[in-house]
Amino acid sequence: NAGVMQNPRHLVRRRGQEARLRCSPVKGHSHVYWYRQLPEEGLKFMVYLQKENIIDESGMPKERFSAEFPKEGPSILRIQQVVRGDSAAYFCASSQDLQETQYFGPGTRLLVL
Amino acid sequence: GIQVEQSPPDLILQEGANSTLRCNFSDSVNNLQWFHQNPWGQLINLFYIPSGTKQNGRLSATTVATERYSLLYISSSQTTDSGVYFCAVASGGSYIPTFGRGTSLIVHP
Repeated sequence: NAGVMQNPRHLVRRRGQEARLRCSPVKGHSHVYWYRQLPEEGLKFMVYLQKENIIDESGMPKERFSAEFPKEGPSILRIQQVVRGDSAAYFCASSQDLQETQYFGPGTRLLVL
Repeated sequence: GIQVEQSPPDLILQEGANSTLRCNFSDSVNNLQWFHQNPWGQLINLFYIPSGTKQNGRLSATTVATERYSLLYISSSQTTDSGVYFCAVASGGSYIPTFGRGTSLIVHP
C-alpha cells in the first residue's frame, strides 16, 4: 500500500500507562490522518495533520489523546493513561493532497489489560 | 454528518461466483473510495471513484453521484477475495471520509 509504515504493529499496555503510536507517511506525502477501528466496525476518523499543524481534530477525544506531525520524523499519536476502552486498531493514512487518494498503513493493534 | 450504509452486511459465496456490493450515502459526494480489509487486517485501496465507472481486473466499481450510491462488482470470486469491503465517502466542504460498516465476504473453495 504505497509505503505507509506504522510501528509498533502490536502494543500491549496496562491501564494507566501511555501508548505511543508512530506513522511514517509515503515519501512526499504531507497529509496524515489517524483512524480508530473497534472490532466489527468501520474506521472512525480521529485527526488530520499537515506538517507541524493539526488541521482537524474533531474525531479525537479531548482528554488523554494528542497527535503531532513534526517537521522531521514520523507522526505520533499519543494516548495517556490508557483505559480498556482504548483497545482497538489504530490506522494511519497519508495523501499527497487533501483531495487525493489516502493510502493506509498496516495499523497498530493496541490491547489494554 | 453524512450517513454511509453498505449492503449486504454479510455475504457467502462459492468460488467462481459473481457479486455486487452496494454503498448508499446521504449527501453529495466529494470523494469516494472502496477498500478491502484482508483477514490480516491490512487495508487495500481498490478504487478512488467519486463518479463514473472504473475496472481493475475482476473488480469494477460504479458511482452514480446524482442518485447517491456506488456499486462494487466482483466477478469470478476467489478465496483470496475474502475479507471486509469498506466504502468511504467525503461530502460537503470536507475531504475527510466517513466509513460504512462494511460488507463481510467469505468465499469458499
